[in-house]
Amino acid sequence: GIQVEQSPPDLILQEGANSTLRCNFSDSVNNLQWFHQNPWGQLINLFYIPSGTKQNGRLSATTVATERYSLLYISSSQTTDSGVYFCAAHYKLSFGAGTTVTVRA
Amino acid sequence: DTEVTQTPKHLVMGMTNKKSLKCEQHMGHRAMYWYKQKAKKPPELMFVYSYEKLSINESVPSRFSPECPNSSLLNLHLHALQPEDSALYLCASSQGPTSAATDTQYFGPGTRLTVL
Repeated sequence: GIQVEQSPPDLILQEGANSTLRCNFSDSVNNLQWFHQNPWGQLINLFYIPSGTKQNGRLSATTVATERYSLLYISSSQTTDSGVYFCAAHYKLSFGAGTTVTVRA
Repeated sequence: DTEVTQTPKHLVMGMTNKKSLKCEQHMGHRAMYWYKQKAKKPPELMFVYSYEKLSINESVPSRFSPECPNSSLLNLHLHALQPEDSALYLCASSQGPTSAATDTQYFGPGTRLTVL
């Protein structure tokens, strides 16, 4: 199956900082999603982005399908951004291991 | 409305018990999924239903038995579970069919299962 790798595994940010999370995938995909999992376990859809660039408030994402990677940008981070960020590829949603983000006030 | 609901939120059961998890969506989605997530790990796919028929079983032990009574409901029947089956069980749905492979999946809040 498709392999999905995320980096970095952990990220500690000061409130207001910007950051970039990366997702590499082993094969071409026509389905790629970014999720934020909050401390209660809820997986929240951030982006469906098999290619191109999208923005939603302080978050944006870019997927370069030909080079098999996707980036998630968090700008002006807030403590509520803390949690685990997953990317997942393919309709069977092969998940990466996640990036744990901690935003400190 | 992009809501998927799951009940119960928490479940504690013994190894000889039989219990069921329930998932519901009213978005008209035709594909529904069960995932299992162990602590500090990503979710792993268990089953996929497409148009109320089981289309994918990721080699899940038979003590987990899925059921899709209609297009809005998905159940997971549990019997003779082991303590290592303790996990967060997540349900998801997408517009479908799975062969389209281009759908956003929406997740429910999960059921946190503890097997004693």
